Amino acid sequence: GQSLEQPSEVTAVEGAIVQINCTYQTSGFYGLSWYQQHDGGAPTFLSYNALDGLEETGRFSSFLSRSDSYGYLLLQELQMKDSASYFCAGGNAGNMLTFGGGTRLMVKP
Amino acid sequence: KAGVTQTPRYLIKTRGQQVTLSCSPISGHRSVSWYQQTPGQGLQFLFEYFSETQRNKGNFPGRFSGRQFSNSRSEMNVSTLELGDSALYLCASSLAGAEGNTIYFGEGSWLTVV
Repeated sequence: GQSLEQPSEVTAVEGAIVQINCTYQTSGFYGLSWYQQHDGGAPTFLSYNALDGLEETGRFSSFLSRSDSYGYLLLQELQMKDSASYFCAGGNAGNMLTFGGGTRLMVKP
Repeated sequence: KAGVTQTPRYLIKTRGQQVTLSCSPISGHRSVSWYQQTPGQGLQFLFEYFSETQRNKGNFPGRFSGRQFSNSRSEMNVSTLELGDSALYLCASSLAGAEGNTIYFGEGSWLTVV
């Protein structure tokens, strides 16, 4: 099985950089995904790391270290619209994802 | 390209009743998975279907079931509803298994059991 731990809440100011960490205990792990969910909305895919290292997609970057069972999502140049919940998810075969508890990001002006 | 479509979006049921939720995946996607989201338990995997076969199942009681049709559309059913089944039920689709684990969620079906 898998379990993923992430902070429950993070607060940052507009324009800043924030890092959301995710540590996991797992077996049969394919990779680490990140999803964003605004209140009342559906989770949307942000990033996926199959291999160790950094993946960059615009203002968002994600990092994975399998040896440390650790990953993070980095959000740069924060905007008010980035206020949302962010979930890390560990993947197994067949699209069976195990999600962390989610990190609620509040961006303040 | 249309996204994942779920119906109904909102519904209220009484304890003991059953409910069927429907999901139409993104065109060309053959894998459909279902998740339950609650404030207390978070996002939990229910089951996944690929080519009309259940490929994986989460840790939910047998009251939760699903199926997939030849056109990849999927339904999930919950029988003998309990108050604790009140949740957002999310359907997600992807091209195939383990392709970067990139799954695309629908807007979900909000189920309230009273």
